[in-house]
Amino acid sequence: EIVMTQSPATLSVSPGERATLSCRASQSVSSNLAWYQQKPGQAPRLLIYGAFTRATGIPARFSGSGSGTEFTLTISSLQSEDFAVYYCQQYTNWSPITFGQGTRLDIK
Amino acid sequence: EVQLVESGGDLVQPGGSLRLSCAASGFTFSTSWMNWVRQAPGRGLEWVANIKQDGSEKYYVDSVRGRFTISRDNAQNSLYLQMNSLRAEDTAVYYCARAGVSGPGINYHWGQGTLVAVSS
Repeated sequence: EIVMTQSPATLSVSPGERATLSCRASQSVSSNLAWYQQKPGQAPRLLIYGAFTRATGIPARFSGSGSGTEFTLTISSLQSEDFAVYYCQQYTNWSPITFGQGTRLDIK
Repeated sequence: EVQLVESGGDLVQPGGSLRLSCAASGFTFSTSWMNWVRQAPGRGLEWVANIKQDGSEKYYVDSVRGRFTISRDNAQNSLYLQMNSLRAEDTAVYYCARAGVSGPGINYHWGQGTLVAVSS
């Protein structure tokens, strides 16, 4: 099983500032990495797939980078609606597909 | 617009059974892999199972293999999860998610989830 580790667990950032979230895989997942956003009481929403491709309708302030075992999600200028929990997920292995434990992005 | 609507969640006793359904619309259901993903209260996301377009391939997380069965009815645009021998640790919101044509890895769309609570 590929273990996904996200850091930090909680990140406090002021609106308008940049947020950088990290995700590490226990073995290479190539570029088979997705990022999801989840707000309280809502289902997750796909942000990024293929490590850096934005999903339909996702604003350009969201960007993904990395390959192999190290990945980053950057939100260039935080808006109020961006404060949420973010999950990375690998799909190199289809069984099991594995998620990171999540990073909570809080308003500073 | 893609819509996924889960149903069937309930309070059930340990050892009991439940069948979850997911009604899909707004896309060609028969061309998509589908996933079930769950989230225990206050916890992160956990993939549960997936199924290929024609049902010929099915995969499960170890903790549910042998107890849960994923299936689909392409004529009815529906996805199912039969859950047997339920345990307290199966308590979670269960989401169905639409994946891609070439594989189950990317969950493009998610339903709102249905709550399964296992307790005596």
